[in-house]
Amino acid sequence: AQRVTQPEKLLSVFKGAPVELKCNYSYSGSPELFWYVQYSRQRLQLLLRHISRESIKGFTADLNKGETSFHLKKPFAQEEDSAMYYCALQLNRDDKIIFGKGTRLHILP
Amino acid sequence: DTGVSQDPRHKITKRGQNVTFRCDPISEHNRLYWYRQTLGQGPEFLTYFQNEAQLEKSRLLSDRFSAERPKGSFSTLEIQRTEQGDSAMYLCASSLGTVSYNEQFFGPGTRLTVL
Repeated sequence: AQRVTQPEKLLSVFKGAPVELKCNYSYSGSPELFWYVQYSRQRLQLLLRHISRESIKGFTADLNKGETSFHLKKPFAQEEDSAMYYCALQLNRDDKIIFGKGTRLHILP
Repeated sequence: DTGVSQDPRHKITKRGQNVTFRCDPISEHNRLYWYRQTLGQGPEFLTYFQNEAQLEKSRLLSDRFSAERPKGSFSTLEIQRTEQGDSAMYLCASSLGTVSYNEQFFGPGTRLTVL
């Protein structure tokens, strides 16, 4: 079965330090991969998707098919990055989204 | 607010009671999804509609759960004979469903507590 694994439940990083949120997936095909973010008291929203290859709020994520990973990175953490981050995959356009359990990112001042 | 809306935002009920939640998608979005999120977990897919047709149901959706989207606009999710294990956040999402990529936009959720 398709699965998304986020090994860290909580990641604490000092402001200005680099951030890396890990994500691995299990699927033999070529899924669409995403990172969703949920800030405090806000709804779940799309942060970025691999196919667009964009940098959003300074975050990037590279798909490594060999390692089946899609880690989220940012070179310099900001306090406003504190949030819950979910890695997710979608097998086909319009299909359901399969989410990981999430990693809470806490940026320390 | 033109985003996805859900009602109620919170529901507390006693075990054995029936509850119904409503989701209003973004106007013109023909795809509507229901997810459930329990503590410490990511959202898990329950079911989805294209217009009024229910296209897929998860095995999580027991026979106590039923979802409808009668006119292809708003949707309702009903849980009969609620159990404590039904306590969760129920999320609705919608997408346009007609272009090359369809971002799913999420609502604020309905938090259900079964006592």
